Amino acid sequence: GAVVSQHPSRVICKSGTSVKIECRSLDFQATTMFWYRQFPKQSLMLMATSNEGSKATYEQGVEKDKFLINHASLTLSTLTVTSAHPEDSSFYICSATGQIATNEKLFFGSGTQLSVL
Amino acid sequence: KQEVTQIPAALSVPEGENLVLNCSFTDSAIYNLQWFRQDPGKGLTSLLLIQSSQREQTSGRLNASLDKSSGRSTLYIAASQPGDSATYLCAPHTNAGKSTFGDGTTLTVKP
Repeated sequence: GAVVSQHPSRVICKSGTSVKIECRSLDFQATTMFWYRQFPKQSLMLMATSNEGSKATYEQGVEKDKFLINHASLTLSTLTVTSAHPEDSSFYICSATGQIATNEKLFFGSGTQLSVL
Repeated sequence: KQEVTQIPAALSVPEGENLVLNCSFTDSAIYNLQWFRQDPGKGLTSLLLIQSSQREQTSGRLNASLDKSSGRSTLYIAASQPGDSATYLCAPHTNAGKSTFGDGTTLTVKP
C-alpha cells in the first residue's frame, strides 16, 4: 500500500534553533498534505493544509511565520519550526492525499516528536 | 466545524473481555472515517477505514461500524489482550482529506 515517510521521528534541539520536518509520499503524488500537532495528553489538531505549488492555509491560531510550510513537489512537504521554544515541544504528524474526493489516498506519516530544551 | 467526541475517555478491562469504543461527530458530511491506535510516544497506526457508503469494516478481532446519518461510529474489540492497551482515536475525514480527531479512548487491558 501507499506509504508516507516522515523524518526525523524524534528530534531534540536547543531553544532558538530551527527544526525541519519532512513528509514524503513514497509511491503516489500527494497534491495535498496536512500537518497536525499533538500536545501531551491532547488530541491531534490540524495546523495547516498545504497544496503543491501554492501557499499553505493555516488554521486559526497557528503562526505562519513560526511554522513555515513548503510543498514544492508532489512528493515532499516540509514543516520548519523556526526559532523553536520549549512550548513548541510537541508531536507533529503529516498526512497526504493524492487527489480530491478519493476513498483511498489518505495516508499518515509516523510522526515526529520534537523536544525543545 | 466538525467536532468529534469519544466515549469513554478511559477504559480498563480484564483480559478476554469484549469491548466497545464510541465515537460521535457533529457534521455528517464526511467522506470516510478512520480508527487509529496510538501507543505512548509513538505515531498513529491505522486500524480500520470505513467509507461513508459502508456500514462496517472488519479486521481480525476488530470491527468498526458507521452510522453516518446519526454521526456515530463504534469500534468493537473482541477477546481483548494486554497488547491492545493503547489510545484509540477516531477521525472522520472530509472529501478533501482533512481529518478531525477525537480526544481518544485510553484502553488498559489487564492480564
